[in-house]
Amino acid sequence: DTAVSQTPKYLVTQMGNDKSIKCEQNLGHDTMYWYKQDSKKFLKIMFSYNNKELIINETVPNRFSPKSPDKAHLNLHINSLELGDSAVYFCASSLQGPTDTQYFGPGTRLTVL
Amino acid sequence: GQSLEQPSEVTAVEGAIVQINCTYQTSGFYGLSWYQQHDGGAPTFLSYNALDGLEETGRFSSFLSRSDSYGYLLLQELQMKDSASYFCAVPYTGRRALTFGSGTRLQVQP
Repeated sequence: DTAVSQTPKYLVTQMGNDKSIKCEQNLGHDTMYWYKQDSKKFLKIMFSYNNKELIINETVPNRFSPKSPDKAHLNLHINSLELGDSAVYFCASSLQGPTDTQYFGPGTRLTVL
Repeated sequence: GQSLEQPSEVTAVEGAIVQINCTYQTSGFYGLSWYQQHDGGAPTFLSYNALDGLEETGRFSSFLSRSDSYGYLLLQELQMKDSASYFCAVPYTGRRALTFGSGTRLQVQP
């Protein structure tokens, strides 16, 4: 039974398009995250939600908009995609804060052409 | 701000022991975590140290010295499947996410 799932696993799209990535966790965790991993494998926090409330919005362009309809789901919508958005996006969850173990989804590899 | 430094790459042979170091700078310390990531996979949790000393979990151990702002991950009896990237991480400002180091790529050779 998958703990943190993301869809889609791969996303190839043209510059200027809008796309969404969905994330769901069945662990009963309170906190969910979006991380971006670039081609050099550098992993950086984008957003953090606690019980559907935005906690961190880390210098991410306005084109990125997270949405948490309930505490088990955290979706990421990206408008007007740019070449530099190409990366792997990981959703994660933890029981409460980051000192708790973070469970990562399988990642979504986004390629912008 | 926060920063973590770790070596970019380490190579070792099967059966050997390898140590991956991590030094950190952070305002307010809440512990040092280690994550493993295989190519094409997701990061998975390995260990967490909040206090000084050595934590052992099977073949993996993690050490922390808060006075030196330093920790390491020790992998014993290396196996080919240990070839992966290893990240140290500290809680972000306000403890709401993790700040990761740049990762150490471990290559285990036969």
